[in-house]
Amino acid sequence: LAKTTQPISMDSYEGQEVNITCSHNNIATNDYITWYQQFPSQGPRFIIQGYKTKVTNEVASLFIPADRKSSTLSLPRVSLSDTAVYYCLVGALNTGGFKTIFGAGTRLFVKA
Amino acid sequence: GAVVSQHPSWVICKSGTSVKIECRSLDFQATTMFWYRQFPKQSLMLMATSNEGSKATYEQGVEKDKFLINHASLTLSTLTVTSAHPEDSSFYICSARAGTGPENEQFFGPGTRLTVL
Repeated sequence: LAKTTQPISMDSYEGQEVNITCSHNNIATNDYITWYQQFPSQGPRFIIQGYKTKVTNEVASLFIPADRKSSTLSLPRVSLSDTAVYYCLVGALNTGGFKTIFGAGTRLFVKA
Repeated sequence: GAVVSQHPSWVICKSGTSVKIECRSLDFQATTMFWYRQFPKQSLMLMATSNEGSKATYEQGVEKDKFLINHASLTLSTLTVTSAHPEDSSFYICSARAGTGPENEQFFGPGTRLTVL
């Protein structure tokens, strides 16, 4: 099972770019890297997923180096509403398919 | 994206009673469904993985006789907390995936807040 390590918390200001790095040294060949956002008392919301290199969508970019042992979620120009917990996940194969194990997550505080 | 619903969104029950939580995938067929539990200020903890028509696979330390999971169809899974006690009070979140591969996106429900008095 690939374990993930993220910073416990980060602070930022509105309008800044935020980069959250996740380490997953034991990532397997078949594993994808997925990031989720969670607000209090809500289910996690999908942000972005990637396998290698760079992936970009309308809300974020995901940078994955060649060795895939880490990944960086980049949030451009954050706003107060981006204050949330961000989870980096790496899939793990079990008998029923791939399951998703959550790490501790990173609490992002965006200040005015 | 695809929608996963949960019902109820919150429930309060007396100690010793059983509570059933439903999880539905509204616009796709969920090959696999997952149940998580989350305590305040903590991360989500995977409780079990279930595939339609087969028995759930429970994570280590999760009592399968206490947390009954049924995945009877491709759009519905239920979690029954039997003989609930105050320590079972938590936020329960289900998730559904259309395929079994790691590239298949996993969609999460809004969660169910369980309070056991």
